[in-house]
Amino acid sequence: ELKVEQNPLFLSMQEGKNYTIYCNYSTTSDRLYWYRQDPGKSLESLFVLLSNGAVKQEGRLMASLDTKARLSTLHITAAVHDLSATYFCAVMKTSYDKVIFGPGTSLSVIP
Amino acid sequence: DTGVSQDPRHKITKRGQNVTFRCDPISEHNRLYWYRQTLGQGPEFLTYFQNEAQLEKSRLLSDRFSAERPKGSFSTLEIQRTEQGDSAMYLCASSLSWFPDTQYFGPGTRLTVL
Repeated sequence: ELKVEQNPLFLSMQEGKNYTIYCNYSTTSDRLYWYRQDPGKSLESLFVLLSNGAVKQEGRLMASLDTKARLSTLHITAAVHDLSATYFCAVMKTSYDKVIFGPGTSLSVIP
Repeated sequence: DTGVSQDPRHKITKRGQNVTFRCDPISEHNRLYWYRQTLGQGPEFLTYFQNEAQLEKSRLLSDRFSAERPKGSFSTLEIQRTEQGDSAMYLCASSLSWFPDTQYFGPGTRLTVL
């Protein structure tokens, strides 16, 4: 059974600092997604990663994928308050299968 | 607005009543997913459709839950004989079945069972 774990579950960081969120999954997968969710809101797609070594960047966020280690990272550079949200990684095992979400990382960026 | 829409946004019901939620996906998307999310948790997969065919249903979904997608367009999720444990946010998402198959989520329906 496909399981997705995230670390840490809660993260409080100061503005201007860098940090990394980790996502581990238990079996091989075809797709890995990162989503953002603001309190009381729905999920917003950030990145989709397909292949080993894939790296995508958008603003202060950079996501990478190591399929051999079954690990994805979401790196935050020079955090700002607007990045405060919950970040989910999600994994699809095949292109015809369901998507399994991790538990989420709740990020608070403190001035 | 051409995004995913859900109706109603909020539903309060008494235990034992039946409720039905509607989801309208992005028009060109042939896949439609239903998830349930409780506070502090990630979305939990319930079921998904490709066109009008229901391809998978979670083992966690009891017989009180049923979903349909007639004609491969909008979808409905019905919960019969609601229980307090059904209180959650019910999210709908749609996607293409080919790359990029990113799921786009609707605003959700928050269900409260009293």
